Amino acid sequence: GDSVTQMEGPVTLSEEAFLTINCTYTATGYPSLFWYVQYPGEGLQLLLKATKADDKGSNKGFEATYRKETTSFHLEKGSVQVSDSAVYFCALRNLAGGTSYGKLTFGQGTILTVHP
Amino acid sequence: SQTIHQWPATLVQPVGSPLSLECTVEGTSNPNLYWYRQAAGRGLQLLFYSVGIGQISSEVPQNLSASRPQDRQFILSSKKLLLSDSGFYLCAYQGALTGNTIYFGEGSWLTVV
Repeated sequence: GDSVTQMEGPVTLSEEAFLTINCTYTATGYPSLFWYVQYPGEGLQLLLKATKADDKGSNKGFEATYRKETTSFHLEKGSVQVSDSAVYFCALRNLAGGTSYGKLTFGQGTILTVHP
Repeated sequence: SQTIHQWPATLVQPVGSPLSLECTVEGTSNPNLYWYRQAAGRGLQLLFYSVGIGQISSEVPQNLSASRPQDRQFILSSKKLLLSDSGFYLCAYQGALTGNTIYFGEGSWLTVV
């Protein structure tokens, strides 16, 4: 079945540092890929997405590129802020085989803490 | 615009008591609806999904049930809560205007004591 693997956390950075959170996946067909963010005590918010190979999703300074050759969707940000402290989830949605409900398959999440 | 709401936001329930969490979606018709649970340690697990009124599919056997009495209403229930039911419950939807993206509600914190 489909699966998503994220780098183990927690990740602790100083403000303005460069961020990379690795994400790799296993899936049949051509899944769509997502990054969701969860701030403390809140639900999940969509951060960015990519629906086909070589697509780059971007939002709020975060970027991720859909790499089919390496089955990866790594999240990057050039300069993190304290307000970026949250849990980040990589996820895929696979409609291969005509599955109409298309559930999201999540990675385990990575806790990011940014210090001033 | 499309929105999703779920309630209550937090609740503390004794073991053996019933549960009802409600979720509604506005601004779209015939959405796919989902209930996820996030237990301590932050992993997300799909519990139920629904592609239409009265159509419920369960991903994992458990002490919970779901119902969809109206097109944009999704309810998570239990007759008798267990300690292991504690967690953060998230309702989500995918609608005609969201493309391939699933959007989540604010979540409901359940503590079973």
